[in-house]
Amino acid sequence: QKEVEQNSGPLSVPEGAIASLNCTYSDRGSQSFFWYRQYSGKSPELIMSIYSNGDKEDGRFTAQLNKASQYVSLLIRDSQPSDSATYLCAVNGGERAGKSTFGDGTTLTVKP
Amino acid sequence: EAQVTQNPRYLITVTGKKLTVTCSQNMNHEYMSWYRQDPGLGLRQIYYSMNVEVTDKGDVPEGYKVSRKEKRNFPLILESPSPNQTSLYFCASSLRAAVKQFFGPGTRLTVL
Repeated sequence: QKEVEQNSGPLSVPEGAIASLNCTYSDRGSQSFFWYRQYSGKSPELIMSIYSNGDKEDGRFTAQLNKASQYVSLLIRDSQPSDSATYLCAVNGGERAGKSTFGDGTTLTVKP
Repeated sequence: EAQVTQNPRYLITVTGKKLTVTCSQNMNHEYMSWYRQDPGLGLRQIYYSMNVEVTDKGDVPEGYKVSRKEKRNFPLILESPSPNQTSLYFCASSLRAAVKQFFGPGTRLTVL
């Protein structure tokens, strides 16, 4: 079992729709959770961080964390073509505080 | 401008020829990390450093060395590169472990 697993994708949604990205992790001691966006040929950039159970909203983005289910998700509302990218889930701070584990990524395409 | 820089950005080399990829940050961050990214895979952590003179292995440390003699620099050393180390390498830094990371632009390495 991979330490961090994301829905495999690719995911395609029409412009204006909600895109839902999911991630599960295996280390129950994990403390911090991140979603990074990576455009083709570019470096990852942070979209959302979440540290406690529940929802966290920032503009069109909502991150959801459920530590009991070891599950974190990212919802993108009113998806735009500019949201087309690969989204990486990252989990930190488990058994080894400095270890940072990424999922394989989900590629999202938003069609105009 | 706050940034993480990497050099070189592109490198083609031959098997066995020692090389160093430099990474520098100007944000006074304690934590730095190296990742490699291969097609279809997310980021895999090679080594990380919690602070000066403190380094630890990530998930794929074999064939790599690092050092952290100064806070701002975290070079990645390949003493005897092999073709399976052909990859895209990212350096990242953060204020401390388990918080959002800032990524460098990447170094594309080809080992022939």
